[in-house]
Amino acid sequence: GAGVSQTPSNKVTEKGKYVELRCDPISGHTALYWYRQSLGQGPEFLIYFQGTGAADDSGLPNDRFFAVRPEGSVSTLKIQRTERGDSAVYLCASSPTTGGNGYTFGSGTRLTVV
Amino acid sequence: DQQVKQNSPSLSVQEGRISILNCDYTNSMFDYFLWYKKYPAEGPTFLISISSIKDKNEDGRFTVFLNKSAKHLSLHIVPSQPGDSAVYFCAARDGGSNYKLTFGKGTLLTVNP
Repeated sequence: GAGVSQTPSNKVTEKGKYVELRCDPISGHTALYWYRQSLGQGPEFLIYFQGTGAADDSGLPNDRFFAVRPEGSVSTLKIQRTERGDSAVYLCASSPTTGGNGYTFGSGTRLTVV
Repeated sequence: DQQVKQNSPSLSVQEGRISILNCDYTNSMFDYFLWYKKYPAEGPTFLISISSIKDKNEDGRFTVFLNKSAKHLSLHIVPSQPGDSAVYFCAARDGGSNYKLTFGKGTLLTVNP
C-alpha cells in the first residue's frame, strides 16, 4: 500500500482481556518499529524488527506485551491481561533500511482499556 | 528521567510571523536529531533533521539550529502558515543505535490567520 496501515484504528477492551494490534508496513520496507504514545507524552519505543526477527525488544514494558512479524511484512502487537495503564495510541512505523530519515508512521491504534 | 525535553506545551503565533520551537536534551550520546509534525488522528510525519556535526540545516521555510555545548536545538518556521498548526515533536537518536528514537512530549503550535 501507499502508507503504513494500522488496524483497528480504535479498540476498546475490558480490563484483563487479550488484544491484537496489526501493522501493515510499506511494501518492501525491511525495518518495522512499534511505539506507544500515552496521553500528554511523546512516542516511546517498544520494539524493532529487522526482517522477521525482533532485533531490539527492550522497550516492551513487561511480559504481557509480545510482537511478531512471521513473514517479514505484517506485524502484530499482542497484549495479554490488559490493564487500564495500557491505554494509549500504539504507533507502527516502517523504513526501507534501518536508520536515516526513512521512518513512515501509521496513524496508530487508539487502545482504551475500561 | 526525560532525555529529550520540550518545555513549552503550546505556542501561538500570528500568520506570517516566525515560530520558534525549542528542545533540550541531556544524553551526550545523541548524535542525530529530528523534528516530526503530527496532526490529530494521524501518525507523526518527518519534517527536518540535523546531524551533530552541523549547527544548522535549512529546508524551505524550516530551519533547525543545533547548539551542542548547550544541548539545545530549535526549529524555526518562517513565515508561519495556518496549515503549520500541529503538534511538533523533537526526537533524538544515539550513536549506538541508528533506529531507536527518543521523543520529547511535543509542542502544540497554533498559527492564527
